[in-house]
Amino acid sequence: GDSVTQMEGPVTLSEEAFLTINCTYTATGYPSLFWYVQYPGEGLQLLLKATKADDKGSNKGFEATYRKETTSFHLEKGSVQVSDSAVYFCALRDSGNTPLVFGKGTRLSVIA
Amino acid sequence: EPEVTQTPSHQVTQMGQEVILRCVPISNHLYFYWYRQILGQKVEFLVSFYNNEISEKSEIFDDQFSVERPDGSNFTLKIRSTKLEDSAMYFCASRGDGGSGGYTFGSGTRLTVV
Repeated sequence: GDSVTQMEGPVTLSEEAFLTINCTYTATGYPSLFWYVQYPGEGLQLLLKATKADDKGSNKGFEATYRKETTSFHLEKGSVQVSDSAVYFCALRDSGNTPLVFGKGTRLSVIA
Repeated sequence: EPEVTQTPSHQVTQMGQEVILRCVPISNHLYFYWYRQILGQKVEFLVSFYNNEISEKSEIFDDQFSVERPDGSNFTLKIRSTKLEDSAMYFCASRGDGGSGGYTFGSGTRLTVV
């Protein structure tokens, strides 16, 4: 079945550091890919998405590129802020109406 | 921006009791979902609902669970006889008809079974 594998956390970075959170996926079809963010005590918010190969999703300085050849969707940000501290979930949704499948999440802590 | 609303935000219940978690999806959305997240663990799919019936459910969604859309706006998850291991954050989500769209999630209901 479909699955998402994320790098293990937690990840601790200093403010203004470069962030990469790796995500790879396995899917039977041609999925759409997503990154969700969960701030402390809150629900899941869609951060960005990409629906086809080579698409780049971007939002709030975060970017991720849909790489079909490596089945990856790594999340990057050039300069993190303390306010980016959260849990980040990579997710996919295969074609049709199959449900969203999440990775285990990566906790990011950014220190001043 | 349209929101998915969940109530209550936190519920404590005794083991064996029935609980109903409530959700108001975005009004023009057609697909509805329940997910749960046990503390510190991954977000797990429970059930999807479309056209007034369950379209898919996971192994977690056993006979103890049921969903209903009683009045065209609310979407409820009932756990018939709660167990300690049902303690989790429960998220409702909805999606419009866009094929590649993501879901809009509510803020969740934290269920604590004691």
